Amino acid sequence: GNSVTQMEGPVTLSEEAFLTINCTYTATGYPSLFWYVQYPGEGLQLLLKATKADDKGSNKGFEATYRKETTSFHLEKGSVQVSDSAVYFCALMNRDDKIIFGKGTRLHILP
Amino acid sequence: DGGITQSPKYLFRKEGQNVTLSCEQNLNHDAMYWYRQDPGQGLRLIYYSQIVNDFQKGDIAEGYSVSREKKESFPLTVTSAQKNPTAFYLCASRHGNQPQHFGDGTRLSIL
Repeated sequence: GNSVTQMEGPVTLSEEAFLTINCTYTATGYPSLFWYVQYPGEGLQLLLKATKADDKGSNKGFEATYRKETTSFHLEKGSVQVSDSAVYFCALMNRDDKIIFGKGTRLHILP
Repeated sequence: DGGITQSPKYLFRKEGQNVTLSCEQNLNHDAMYWYRQDPGQGLRLIYYSQIVNDFQKGDIAEGYSVSREKKESFPLTVTSAQKNPTAFYLCASRHGNQPQHFGDGTRLSIL
């Protein structure tokens, strides 16, 4: 079946550090892939998406590339800020239109 | 601005009571969803509706009920049969195969 695995948190970094949050998936066919962000006490917001192999999604300095050969969609940012502290969810949507979420990775950025 | 409104933000339930969580959207989306979020477990799908007057069980529907009498509204009732209802509940909607939009959630606690 379809599944999403992302690195366990919490991840703690200093401001301006480089960020990588790993995400791998298992799916039949060619799913669409997403990263969502959840700030404290709020719902999820779509951060970026990619719909086919080798697509790169980007937003607010975050990037992720759809790698079919490694079934991965790792989230990266070159220089994180304290305001990036949140929980990040990787997700996939397959042809049946159901969305499968990873368990989330909590990110703490220290000033 | 279009969006999804969940109310109330915080809700308390006594043992043996049913409570209803509200979800309203003005995005003209056909599909709506209810998720439950517990710490370290990501999002789990409770119920979803792809069209008015129709809905399907998700992965953890036991102890919950929904209705979809209007396109813009998808209330969730947490019944007394749900033995562990304390959680953060998220409502989402979607148009076609686009990513889901989320509300800001309702936190339910047991007195």
